[in-house]
Amino acid sequence: AQRVTQPEKLLSVFKGAPVELKCNYSYSGSPELFWYVQYSRQRLQLLLRHISRESIKGFTADLNKGETSFHLKKPFAQEEDSAMYYCATEGGATNKLIFGTGTLLAVQP
Amino acid sequence: DGGITQSPKYLFRKEGQNVTLSCEQNLNHDAMYWYRQDPGQGLRLIYYSQIVNDFQKGDIAEGYSVSREKKESFPLTVTSAQKNPTAFYLCASSPMEDNEQFFGPGTRLTVL
Repeated sequence: AQRVTQPEKLLSVFKGAPVELKCNYSYSGSPELFWYVQYSRQRLQLLLRHISRESIKGFTADLNKGETSFHLKKPFAQEEDSAMYYCATEGGATNKLIFGTGTLLAVQP
Repeated sequence: DGGITQSPKYLFRKEGQNVTLSCEQNLNHDAMYWYRQDPGQGLRLIYYSQIVNDFQKGDIAEGYSVSREKKESFPLTVTSAQKNPTAFYLCASSPMEDNEQFFGPGTRLTVL
């Protein structure tokens, strides 16, 4: 069965420091991968997906099939990046998504 | 304003009572989903529906029921059989041709 692992429950960094939120997946084939973000008092929303290869709000994520990883990175963290981040992969033949347990990013001033 | 709406925002229920959470979307999406969000456990899929009048169990369907009589509506009933119903419930939808899901604002259910 597909699974997504986010090993860190909490990641605390200082403003201006680099950020890397880890995500590993198990999936046979070529998965589609997503990062969703939930800011305080806001709804869960898509941050980026690997097929778009975009940088959103300074964040990037590269799919590494050899390591089955899709880590989210940003070179210089901002306080407004503080939020809960979820990695997700598609669930197979249906449109289901399999979510990780989430990482809370706290950017200190 | 287009999108997904959930009501109510907060809901309180006595033990032993069934309660229904509303989810409506005007995005013309075929698929709709219900998740439960608990601290440290991420989002867990309760039920999903890819088409009207059809739905499938997710990973934690026990104690829940759904219906999909209209494309835009996917209500979730939390029954008295659900052992630990206090949680934050999220509804989502997606078009059939894409995996991206769009989420509602959520309903926080507290069982007293």
